[in-house]
Amino acid sequence: AQSVTQPDIHITVSEGASLELRCNYSYGATPYLFWYVQSPGQGLQLLLKYFSGDTLVQGIKGFEAEFKRSQSSFNLRKPSVHWSDAAEYFCAVKRRQAGTALIFGKGTTLSVSS
Amino acid sequence: GAGVSQSPRYKVAKRGQDVALRCDPISGHVSLFWYQQALGQGPEFLTYFQNEAQLDKSGLPSDRFFAERPEGSVSTLKIQRTQQEDSAVYLCASSSDRGLGETQYFGPGTRLLVL
Repeated sequence: AQSVTQPDIHITVSEGASLELRCNYSYGATPYLFWYVQSPGQGLQLLLKYFSGDTLVQGIKGFEAEFKRSQSSFNLRKPSVHWSDAAEYFCAVKRRQAGTALIFGKGTTLSVSS
Repeated sequence: GAGVSQSPRYKVAKRGQDVALRCDPISGHVSLFWYQQALGQGPEFLTYFQNEAQLDKSGLPSDRFFAERPEGSVSTLKIQRTQQEDSAVYLCASSSDRGLGETQYFGPGTRLLVL
C-alpha cells in the first residue's frame, strides 16, 4: 500500500538557522510529490511540488525540496527560518493520474525559537 | 481569483444530529475532493467528484456519510446521526486537471465537534 512517512513529529529550530524536514514514501512508481503547510486554524497551503524534470524544486517562502528516487525521499529545506514559519508541514504523494487523491504523511510540527 | 471556500467554519453538533458541510471550489475546477483530518493527523481521503459525478467514495467511513455535487460546482458533505468519532476538520480541495494542473487547492476547512 502507498504510504508517506514523516519521521519527525516535532522539530524546534532557532530563528535564522537552517531547516530540513524529512519525507519518505512507499509507492509502486514515481508519484507526484507535494509539500503543504498548515497554520493553526487554516487550510493547507501548497509550498512546492515535483512532477518531473529537475529534482531540486523551488517553492514559495524560500523553501526548496529535493527528490531522490534512490532513497524514495522528498525532503524539504530552508536555509534560514523565520518565526512566521512555525506551522505544521505535510508531505503528500499522488498517483500520476487526474482525479486521484493525495496521500499525506502525519505531519511535522515546526516550532521556531528566538 | 477566489480560492476554495467552506462553510460553516465551525460546527458543534449533539450526538445523533445531522450536519451538512458546504464547499465552493475554485470556479471552473473539474475535480473536487473531500478529506477528513483528525486531531494530530494528516488529512485522509473521503470522496472524489469529477464535475457532478462521484467517481470514488471509497474513503467514506460509513453509510452515515453522504456527499453530492449536483451541478458540478458546489458540493455538500452530509453526516447523518453524528457520532463523537466524527469530530474532525473536514477539508475540501479542488483541481483543474488540465495538463499539469493536478495541484489540489484546499479550503480553510470545517471544524466539526460532536458532543
